[in-house]
Amino acid sequence: ETGVTQTPRHLVMGMTNKKSLKCEQHLGHNAMYWYKQSAKKPLELMFVYSLEERVENNSVPSRFSPECPNSSHLFLHLHTLQPEDSALYLCASSQDSSPDTQYFGPGTRLTVL
Amino acid sequence: RKEVEQDPGPFNVPEGATVAFNCTYSNSASQSFFWYRQDCRKEPKLLMSVYSSGNEDGRFTAQLNRASQYISLLIRDSKLSDSATYLCVVRERGRRALTFGSGTRLQVQP
Repeated sequence: ETGVTQTPRHLVMGMTNKKSLKCEQHLGHNAMYWYKQSAKKPLELMFVYSLEERVENNSVPSRFSPECPNSSHLFLHLHTLQPEDSALYLCASSQDSSPDTQYFGPGTRLTVL
Repeated sequence: RKEVEQDPGPFNVPEGATVAFNCTYSNSASQSFFWYRQDCRKEPKLLMSVYSSGNEDGRFTAQLNRASQYISLLIRDSKLSDSATYLCVVRERGRRALTFGSGTRLQVQP
């Protein structure tokens, strides 16, 4: 399935690095989401964009910076991360009018050393 | 208190068995309810939505009790391919975000 793609699939970075995660959806959706899944914790929302505007977010540290340049692309910019930020970062998309039907990408598995 | 609570398992069952998972949610403003399936190191995929009247999809039956804030999933005639983690998921009225439970792991054995 290639409806929602994420790159890279795996990323190892040091605490002083700056990197970006990319998500692209090919489904014609207008809402996109970042979720985080840490070991032993439930999947949790980070950010929601609708029509390229951020409309929801949890209490996410400023070292995570989202960007949504258009309705097909979503980025998560990372800087000065901590080892506890190691997790699976999942992107999802939906029609803004149908948030019940979210399609997930394969995720980026991030390891912070 | 977790917003969505599930027994983590694992549930180890033989092929052909019937297995039931339960879930409770704390937010009374929850409007939509789902079961997702997640295979090891993969993304979650929607298994089925859950409706107040209960609903069935092949070997899978889901039930919702709004008064008790309780959701269940019944799997009949378990297959080896059913081995996965089953995530209970809710969405609050007025929000787009999904709230996930930690999941219940199922291992179906030959």
